[in-house]
Amino acid sequence: EVQLVESGGGFIQPGRSLRLSCTASGFTFGDYAMSWLRQSPGKGLEWVGFIRSNSYGGTTEYAASVKGRFTISRDDSKNIAYLQLDSLRTEDTAMYYCTRDSFYDYADYWGQGTLVTVSP
Amino acid sequence: DIQMTQSPSSLSASAGDTVTITCQASQDISNYLSWCQQKPGKAPKLLIYDASSLETGVPSRFSGSGSGTDFTFTISGLQPEDIATYYCQQYDELPYTFGQGTKVEVK
Repeated sequence: EVQLVESGGGFIQPGRSLRLSCTASGFTFGDYAMSWLRQSPGKGLEWVGFIRSNSYGGTTEYAASVKGRFTISRDDSKNIAYLQLDSLRTEDTAMYYCTRDSFYDYADYWGQGTLVTVSP
Repeated sequence: DIQMTQSPSSLSASAGDTVTITCQASQDISNYLSWCQQKPGKAPKLLIYDASSLETGVPSRFSGSGSGTDFTFTISGLQPEDIATYYCQQYDELPYTFGQGTKVEVK
């Protein structure tokens, strides 16, 4: 059974940093791209970025709203994808989800999310 | 960025009704469209991919159609457990973008 478990969220002040983790199980983690998405309270879904599998260079792509502040990485030996959030802003307050991306780019499994609250 | 316009934003229907949600892309996305369901307080769940392919394990009352810029999601025979918000998402071009969501309530 595919499982994705996010962790690392919390309450943090603007300008600070936080690292989220997504621990995967139930599939060959290294074969898949992994994405991060977020959902602000009461709002819709926003794609944050993804990291390709190492077979495709392990390269990353980001939404313009987070580019230069957020960094996605992966550790295939531990089956973990990371989202490093730097220079946090109040508008980054959201539930952050990780997803497994199918071989055809759509998200086929979602984690339960971890909440990040950025406030003075 | 590709804009996804989803409608209606909310709807209320009776159990057993057929419910239809539309999603329009601001440019041709071929069939690179998915639909997901988000129940209150829960993570989203994939229902449909490639515009019309049903994800394994998803009830057959859910279906999708369309290509290019215009897409439709249908629930044939609404069930009480279908209370949720439904989102379309395009994955043709980065950044991947979502529709605004449709909140479905059962009368």
